[in-house]
Amino acid sequence: GQNIDQPTEMTATEGAIVQINCTYQTSGFNGLFWYQQHAGEAPTFLSYNVLDGLEEKGRFSSFLSRSKGYSYLLLKELQMKDSASYLCAVNMDSNYQLIWGAGTKLIIKP
Amino acid sequence: NAGVTQTPKFRVLKTGQSMTLLCAQDMNHEYMYWYRQDPGMGLRLIHYSVGEGTTAKGEVPDGYNVSRLKKQNFLLGLESAAPSQTSVYFCALGDRGLYNEQFFGPGTRLTVL
Repeated sequence: GQNIDQPTEMTATEGAIVQINCTYQTSGFNGLFWYQQHAGEAPTFLSYNVLDGLEEKGRFSSFLSRSKGYSYLLLKELQMKDSASYLCAVNMDSNYQLIWGAGTKLIIKP
Repeated sequence: NAGVTQTPKFRVLKTGQSMTLLCAQDMNHEYMYWYRQDPGMGLRLIHYSVGEGTTAKGEVPDGYNVSRLKKQNFLLGLESAAPSQTSVYFCALGDRGLYNEQFFGPGTRLTVL
């Protein structure tokens, strides 16, 4: 079976740094996505990793280790607007489907 | 979400009623997907389409049917709604190739009483 694990909820302070982890066990792998979803809204794309290493995009960075089945999303200089759920999704090889984690709800406190 | 619309935005049904959700795009994407999202669970794929006239089952297809007669539109039907189908339904678009980033519509919130 396919399995993606993320922490259910995390709390961080405005201005700080937070790391959201994602571990996966899937029968295929063709890349890993991170999406952001604000309450009541649709998911929006944040990042994509297909090779091992760190991808940086402004305040957000995403890391992938394929051998460990592990990824993390790093958010720096946290702002109140970063309060949202962060979804990890694996792009399965040989088909057109993404397998989604349940998401991590990030709460930012002043 | 520009270019992806979902109709309706909200709906309340009684058990046994039927309805159709419409996803329409003007972005020329080949792939279209229907997901449901429930509290504490990840997005779950219901059905998907890789092109006009084609559809395939996803992870949770029971109780739903789909059609893609035109490239721009992907319809999701509930023939006999059940309370277990209370959920938020998202349509998403994708494209051929290894990347397969998906773009989501705004969602339809469905309640079945």
